[in-house]
Amino acid sequence: EAGVAQSPRYKIIEKRQSVAFWCNPISGHATLYWYQQILGQGPKLLIQFQNNGVVDDSQLPKDRFSAERLKGVDSTLKIQPAKLEDSAVYLCASSSGPSVNEQFFGPGTRLTVL
Amino acid sequence: GIQVEQSPPDLILQEGANSTLRCNFSDSVNNLQWFHQNPWGQLINLFYIPSGTKQNGRLSATTVATERYSLLYISSSQTTDSGVYFCAVEAASGTYKYIFGTGTRLKVLA
Repeated sequence: EAGVAQSPRYKIIEKRQSVAFWCNPISGHATLYWYQQILGQGPKLLIQFQNNGVVDDSQLPKDRFSAERLKGVDSTLKIQPAKLEDSAVYLCASSSGPSVNEQFFGPGTRLTVL
Repeated sequence: GIQVEQSPPDLILQEGANSTLRCNFSDSVNNLQWFHQNPWGQLINLFYIPSGTKQNGRLSATTVATERYSLLYISSSQTTDSGVYFCAVEAASGTYKYIFGTGTRLKVLA
């Protein structure tokens, strides 16, 4: 069974530029999560989707971050415009059920904002 | 919200040694997972263990939900065990999201 796929693996941009990350969850997993992990800290949830609906986006900086999961499968996370403090690893995870159940993580995208 | 603390924050072991990592949480939980983050940043599932005891090879975990803690045991440690270990919990109040602990950074020396 294929795991959670993410791309790109690395991205370097200048501040005020835009960037987008892509995630494809494990086949059949209804719930998809985006996390931000700043160096030295644990992952922090940005947004959670159940199928193509948003369950929780309370910690998503909506003035600059957006995410969508149009067909209930893959998802994109966008930052526009990027700030220096957005430098982090962006992790995508998926789980099978509407509650948390067991989460499986992708390899992450390491973003550096210069 | 629920608080999750892990101890020790850092641990250095010689290869072959055993260790116990602890995760304390401040409220009742519905779900709990242990992860290993390897030096390349990948978060690898170790255990999904909201209660009880599980074992997988050299690793085992125990969650005592009524006393609000979980333990991860690593026996006969290897250099490949190095990395950061996180526990993550979902509060029983039904937030449907994980809160990650502070992590334990483990280094195993050859």
